[in-house]
Amino acid sequence: QKEVEQNSGPLSVPEGAIASLNCTYSDRGSQSFFWYRQYSGKSPELIMFIYSNGDKEDGRFTAQLNKASQYVSLLIRDSQPSDSATYLCAVKGRNSGYALNFGKGTSLLVTP
Amino acid sequence: DADVTQTPRNRITKTGKRIMLECSQTKGHDRMYWYRQDPGLGLQLIYYSFDVKDINKGEISDGYSVSRQAQAKFSLSLESAIPNQTALYFCATSESGGQETQYFGPGTRLLVL
Repeated sequence: QKEVEQNSGPLSVPEGAIASLNCTYSDRGSQSFFWYRQYSGKSPELIMFIYSNGDKEDGRFTAQLNKASQYVSLLIRDSQPSDSATYLCAVKGRNSGYALNFGKGTSLLVTP
Repeated sequence: DADVTQTPRNRITKTGKRIMLECSQTKGHDRMYWYRQDPGLGLQLIYYSFDVKDINKGEISDGYSVSRQAQAKFSLSLESAIPNQTALYFCATSESGGQETQYFGPGTRLLVL
């Protein structure tokens, strides 16, 4: 079982809608959770991180963490075509010396 | 100038050749990582180093070796390249003691014929 699971997509949403991306993880000792955006052929870039239960907002992005249910999500409000990319969930856990474990990513397509 | 640089950016090599990918950073971070990315498989950790004298294998270290020459430099070697090592390789850095946010280099696209 992969430690960090994401639906590969593609997730298609119309421009202006809310995109909801989900991620589950298996290590209950995980401490920090990250969302990266990756455009095709480019390197991942950090969107935001969260480490406490609840919501964390940054502009159009909101990360949500529920440690009891072991899931983390990313909401993108007012989605734009430029948000079309692959979104990677990463978890800082105990099983690789506190290096990050990455999910395979969810492909998001925002249609005009 | 970019904080994390990788050389070369693209490389074509033949089966059995030894090649080295280099990573340098000016962020002053103590931790460095090497990942490979294959289509549909996400990022897989090859090796990571928490300081110059602390190097650890990741989930797919077979066929690879690394060298941490200095805090700012971390090299990945393929001793005898094989076609299934064709992939996109990323170096990343992070700073200990905080949230361990990782910052990625631009990547090296490797093709093994």
